[in-house]
Amino acid sequence: ETGVTQSPTHLIKTRGQQVTLRCSSQSGHNTVSWYQQALGQGPQFIFQYYREEENGRGNFPPRFSGLQFPNYSSELNVNALELDDSALYLCASSLGGQHNSPLHFGNGTRLTVT
Amino acid sequence: EDQVTQSPEALRLQEGESSSLNCSYTVSGLRGLFWYRQDPGKGPEFLFTLYSAGEEKEKERLKATLTKKESFLHITAPKPEDSATYLCAVVKSSNTGKLIFGQGTTLQVKP
Repeated sequence: ETGVTQSPTHLIKTRGQQVTLRCSSQSGHNTVSWYQQALGQGPQFIFQYYREEENGRGNFPPRFSGLQFPNYSSELNVNALELDDSALYLCASSLGGQHNSPLHFGNGTRLTVT
Repeated sequence: EDQVTQSPEALRLQEGESSSLNCSYTVSGLRGLFWYRQDPGKGPEFLFTLYSAGEEKEKERLKATLTKKESFLHITAPKPEDSATYLCAVVKSSNTGKLIFGQGTTLQVKP
């Protein structure tokens, strides 16, 4: 069973630039969620994708956007990067349609904005 | 406002010294409470799901319990390899995909 994989593991960008983070979901999972984790804090929900549609969004501005592909992999795009966007970005997959199906997380992408 | 609060923020134990971590929540329409373990530089690793007050789950030295307002993660005779940050999260009835996390408790177990 293949777990959740994310790429790249680390990334350094300059304020104002754009970034794309990628995620491959765990085998058999059809739902992907993205979270932002600032240093010393718990993860915060950005959005979830199910069957290629956004299915719930947290309190993040529209410059945070995403995609889910037919193979259930996903991308997180962030435009006009700000210094406060520096964080660990976590992708998690689960089996949609099953309430309380636990999320399985990848090891994240560490984004630094300078 | 929905909120999850964990205490203490940090905990240092000697190997074999049992203790408990607390997760209190104010959420309407709770559908489930999750415990995760996170090692430095890694993503959270799923431990338990609890659905209703009075429920208990166990795994090795860990036992999770749930009441109507809080959950406890009991660690019995911890070992150094139990050192990690433990995260609590809840899911509401309105969106099963959105977890609301606490800030975590960082546990250090000294040999």
